[in-house]
Amino acid sequence: AQKITQTQPGMFVQEKEAVTLDCTYDTSDPSYGLFWYKQPSSGEMIFLIYQGSYDQQNATEGRYSLNFQKARKSANLVISASQLGDSAMYFCAMRGTNTGNQFYFGTGTSLTVIP
Amino acid sequence: NAGVTQTPKFQVLKTGQSMTLQCAQDMNHNSMYWYRQDPGMGLRLIYYSASEGTTDKGEVPNGYNVSRLNKREFSLRLESAAPSQTSVYFCASSEAWWTLNEQFFGPGTRLTVL
Repeated sequence: AQKITQTQPGMFVQEKEAVTLDCTYDTSDPSYGLFWYKQPSSGEMIFLIYQGSYDQQNATEGRYSLNFQKARKSANLVISASQLGDSAMYFCAMRGTNTGNQFYFGTGTSLTVIP
Repeated sequence: NAGVTQTPKFQVLKTGQSMTLQCAQDMNHNSMYWYRQDPGMGLRLIYYSASEGTTDKGEVPNGYNVSRLNKREFSLRLESAAPSQTSVYFCASSEAWWTLNEQFFGPGTRLTVL
């Protein structure tokens, strides 16, 4: 069974500091993709970053990076130099080659950036 | 590119009324999805369509029907709305499963059933 776990319901970070949002996953698929989405208070779901299970390097997109530890089955999102606009819900998600068309989402982490 | 579009953005229904939520994507994606998101919760999959002509149930399909009208369009129908269906509904699309690529989401439809 596929499962995504986000154990931090809420996080606070000081503006300009870095923050790590945790995500662990469980899958038996031989290859899979891991994703992070941001949902601001306006409600839309914004794709942030992708990591393939066979990628040798951790993914980075601007201030976002994904700390991928395959043996630990973790895919933590690191946001550097936090900005007030980073305050939002963040969801970790996964899809795999065996489960194919379905995406599995975690319950989300609410991040608040403090000025 | 418009990406994924949904109509309407907001809707208020009375218990027992029916309605159809429309979704269209212009990215030539094979797979399309309908999710609901309740306050303070994550996304729950209602139905998905792996390709044109196929649909499958997700985690919470009861009370809903879907139609994959063509490759671009995927609609969600509530035949007899209930207050428990008050939620925000998201449509999403993605490339075929073997790509392992991300989903793209529409802006959502906020539905209230009185």
